[in-house]
Amino acid sequence: SAVISQKPSRDICQRGTSLTIQCQVDSQVTMMFWYRQQPGQSLTLIATANQGSEATYESGFVIDKFPISRPNLTFSTLTVSNMSPEDSSIYLCSARWTDRGDQPQHFGDGTRLSIL
Amino acid sequence: AQSVAQPEDQVNVAEGNPLTVKCTYSVSGNPYLFWYVQYPNRGLQFLLKYITGDNLVKGSYGFEAEFNKSQTSFHLKKPSALVSDSALYFCAVRDTGDKLIFGTGTRLQVFP
Repeated sequence: SAVISQKPSRDICQRGTSLTIQCQVDSQVTMMFWYRQQPGQSLTLIATANQGSEATYESGFVIDKFPISRPNLTFSTLTVSNMSPEDSSIYLCSARWTDRGDQPQHFGDGTRLSIL
Repeated sequence: AQSVAQPEDQVNVAEGNPLTVKCTYSVSGNPYLFWYVQYPNRGLQFLLKYITGDNLVKGSYGFEAEFNKSQTSFHLKKPSALVSDSALYFCAVRDTGDKLIFGTGTRLQVFP
């Protein structure tokens, strides 16, 4: 099965700094997504990463805080900017190989981020 | 808006016994429903889906799920639990724009 790799797997950062998370898929995918999983909670979609254009953000998430790039069909980055302790979460990348909504998304192992 | 509910934070079951993890949904139109499992320090792994057709859906690792339209439920089941099934389980429904809406998760603990 296809592999979705995220880097880094975990990090501890100082407040006010920024961190860029990378998501690499080993084959071309149609859709890529970024989720946040706060401690002990469910997943919340941050945005859909669109290849060659601006990401589509969900309510409550803005580009200035979570800039996303997707330069090609196998790679995307999420930056968490000006971090505060409230940003401590697991950030997950997912991908879907078609644009059909009846097909599942597949997830990377996530980036565990702690802000001091 | 679409939503799913997982009424149990935790389910405990003895190894070898059948297990059920509950999920109910609220959608307009026909639901696309999914189950995922999350092991410690891992991402989510896809288990199975219901789109249309047979109400009993079979998936990975011996799991199955029963779609019940009248009860708006999509419960995850396994005839005989293993200790290695202990993990966090998420039910999800497809929302508009193809995004997934996840339930709050149910922690399954299988005791030897």
